[in-house]
Amino acid sequence: GQSLEQPSEVTAVEGAIVQINCTYQTSGFYGLSWYQQHDGGAPTFLSYNALDGLEETGRFSSFLSRSDSYGYLLLQELQMKDSASYFCAPMGGFKTIFGAGTRLFVKA
Amino acid sequence: SQTIHQWPATLVQPVGSPLSLECTVEGTSNPNLYWYRQAAGRGLQLLFYSVGIGQISSEVPQNLSASRPQDRQFILSSKKLLLSDSGFYLCAWSGGTYGEQYFGPGTRLTVT
Repeated sequence: GQSLEQPSEVTAVEGAIVQINCTYQTSGFYGLSWYQQHDGGAPTFLSYNALDGLEETGRFSSFLSRSDSYGYLLLQELQMKDSASYFCAPMGGFKTIFGAGTRLFVKA
Repeated sequence: SQTIHQWPATLVQPVGSPLSLECTVEGTSNPNLYWYRQAAGRGLQLLFYSVGIGQISSEVPQNLSASRPQDRQFILSSKKLLLSDSGFYLCAWSGGTYGEQYFGPGTRLTVT
């Protein structure tokens, strides 16, 4: 079957570092993507990992361990505008699985 | 560059009325197209996806249907809306470097 787990909410202060973990189980897996969605808006693509290891894109980094079916999104130097929902999204075949996401609250 | 359009942005419809939501993509050819629904505070539920004209795969049996009459046009329809059809409807296309998806601005549907 398919399953996806990530924390429902995370709170952090401005300037801090936060890690959002994700564990998944899906068939035909070929990569893990991450999306950001602000309230009232559409999701936007952040990053993608096909191979094990860390991918860095500015303040955001994403990690994948295929053997552990585990990944995380690391957000550094948090800013108020980073308050949003973050979706871990395993990709397989033509489909991407979106879970309930993690709501990140950044406090001043 | 690629652009995805969805309309309308908001819609209020009575129970039992029909629905038609349209999505068009510009700047790419033969994209994979997707319809999602998102309930308030929840994740994205995949409703339909299409890998080509006239090819529709349904993920959730319900009173919605989808069609792809042209390469870059994807339509979501219903003959009779239910209260449970309320939600945020998102169209997306994929075909980027990693197969990542790009979303339209969405339609917020309220069925009353």
